[in-house]
Amino acid sequence: ETGVTQTPRHLVMGMTNKKSLKCEQHLGHNAMYWYKQSAKKPLELMFVYSLEERVENNSVPSRFSPECPNSSHLFLHLHTLQPEDSALYLCASSQVRGEAFFGQGTRLTVV
Amino acid sequence: GQQVMQIPQYQHVQEGEDFTTYCNSSTTLSNIQWYKQRPGGHPVFLIQLVKSGEVKKQKRLTFQFGEAKKNSSLHITATQTTDVGTYFCAGLSSSNTGKLIFGQGTTLQVKP
Repeated sequence: ETGVTQTPRHLVMGMTNKKSLKCEQHLGHNAMYWYKQSAKKPLELMFVYSLEERVENNSVPSRFSPECPNSSHLFLHLHTLQPEDSALYLCASSQVRGEAFFGQGTRLTVV
Repeated sequence: GQQVMQIPQYQHVQEGEDFTTYCNSSTTLSNIQWYKQRPGGHPVFLIQLVKSGEVKKQKRLTFQFGEAKKNSSLHITATQTTDVGTYFCAGLSSSNTGKLIFGQGTTLQVKP
């Protein structure tokens, strides 16, 4: 257990669905991240929130929409995804410039 | 943008042989971190290097940070089957607010 909890662990969704991934940390960290991990491009940085402010949007399609309501919670809202979006989505948290603690990930399959 | 390149992508070794993975950044780094991801698991932090030329050891693992703070290496002596997994380096630029950029990873297979 890393202290970073992601739900759900597995998700299958159709291309017209809307779903959300949730990440929660109670480590007192002030930075949170979304990463996408697929076979072709391991560990792509998607979004970074530092002190609850989004500081990085790494050219991610608008069908992915992050939300960070407070320093302990991070969401990734998904809508009208494509099959190529199927991947493992990892959340991580850290103190700014410190080591990252990863959640166990959400395995997403888009059908 | 900032890129972190890691080689090799895959490495198969016989148990007992040594293993090394190399990491190179396109920009000078504030620090570099190393992570290990076991099959089916998530990345787990191993170590962080901050100083130019720094060398740190963890049992059979030796980590180095280059003098120019643009490259790093992880060397495992006498590999064991428990070393199997993917090793990632991750660079933190000196000019950002915490963006951690990962290399592509090196997947290590160890034959018993």
